[in-house]
Amino acid sequence: GQQVMQIPQYQHVQEGEDFTTYCNSSTTLSNIQWYKQRPGGHPVFLIQLVKSGEVKKQKRLTFQFGEAKKNSSLHITATQTTDVGTYFCAGRGTSYGKLTFGQGTILTVHP
Amino acid sequence: DVKVTQSSRYLVKRTGEKVFLECVQDMDHENMFWYRQDPGLGLRLIYFSYDVKMKEKGDIPEGYSVSREKKERFSLILESASTNQTSMYLCASSFQDLNYNEQFFGPGTRLTVL
Repeated sequence: GQQVMQIPQYQHVQEGEDFTTYCNSSTTLSNIQWYKQRPGGHPVFLIQLVKSGEVKKQKRLTFQFGEAKKNSSLHITATQTTDVGTYFCAGRGTSYGKLTFGQGTILTVHP
Repeated sequence: DVKVTQSSRYLVKRTGEKVFLECVQDMDHENMFWYRQDPGLGLRLIYFSYDVKMKEKGDIPEGYSVSREKKERFSLILESASTNQTSMYLCASSFQDLNYNEQFFGPGTRLTVL
């Protein structure tokens, strides 16, 4: 079945440093979504990428979808303590909206 | 405001008990999902439903069953709870449209099986 691998599992940064998490799928994806889960909370949707090579920005967050639609990345510029949490990518194949989630990257930001 | 609610935030059960987890959404979503979340393993799909009375197995369906009798409600059933089913259970819902299929999650149920 479809597998989505995400690295790194953990990332510790000093406030102000940049952060990147990477996602790779074993199969071509219809789209990829990114979610953020704050400590003690539930995953919350951030963004969806659909087109090959797509790049989207949300303030300090930059999301990319690979040309082959099998990989993606999330880059945060100048991290802040409010960025703390677990970031998940989730790839959609072809059926009915089912997503396969990556293992997540736990981001810790030291002030 | 969109909402997914789950019947309990915390639940403690004994090995062998039958456990029901309920999820309700108020967004008229076609899809509903049950995941379990364990450290280092991310979100793993147990079952999902794309219509009333329709269901499909996810990646880890063993030991679980589901029921969807109404569009807004999706139940997860542990027929005979075991200690390895201690976990955080998250329900989610979404539209099927490719352009509007973000998943909305409930607050989760932390289940402990003793």
